[in-house]
Amino acid sequence: GAVVSQHPSRVICKSGTSVKIECRSLDFQATTMFWYRQFPKQSLMLMATSNEGSKATYEQGVEKDKFLINHASLTLSTLTVTSAHPEDSSFYICSVLGTRGGDEQFFGPGTRLTVL
Amino acid sequence: QKEVEQNSGPLSVPEGAIASLNCTYSDRGSQSFFWYRQYSGKSPELIMFIYSNGDKEDGRFTAQLNKASQYVSLLIRDSQPSDSATYLCAVNNAGNMLTFGGGTRLMVKP
Repeated sequence: GAVVSQHPSRVICKSGTSVKIECRSLDFQATTMFWYRQFPKQSLMLMATSNEGSKATYEQGVEKDKFLINHASLTLSTLTVTSAHPEDSSFYICSVLGTRGGDEQFFGPGTRLTVL
Repeated sequence: QKEVEQNSGPLSVPEGAIASLNCTYSDRGSQSFFWYRQYSGKSPELIMFIYSNGDKEDGRFTAQLNKASQYVSLLIRDSQPSDSATYLCAVNNAGNMLTFGGGTRLMVKP
């Protein structure tokens, strides 16, 4: 498998502020990480694919200027929610591909964002 | 639009029974299929993956894949109250990107 951490686990912020979420691969170097968003009682929606050393690939409908992704090293990807609004309140989860070389993904514990 | 469909449930089974969770997908070219378990307020945990037609068993869990019918299922034998969770079916269409179903909520009653 793969061990993934996220920080912070929970954040509450005021509308208009920016929030940075970190995703770390703890036991191996991850060239690719994925960012998902999950609203209450809904399934996971892929937001973007984060590639080390290059620009992230965003899914249709996800604003790249609002959700800034930086994958500066093989163990760290960050998601910054800029000018957050209450509708951005959600559960943000990152994942990495497994060490086995297959395509199974292993998820971090998630970050619960609440925008007041 | 590539879709993955699951019955939202809740599926209620008594302790010790077999729970059967089903998933259909629309992209006939899909190659990899995954089952994740998600407890309330937590992130998904991978429990099974399957690539080939037929059955794959791991402990109390059996994944079944039928590509001709575009159908994948998860059987949980000897269900325990601790199995109560939402089970997410995920399909890899291309490029390691997963499409998730809406999830089935399973309730195992003591």
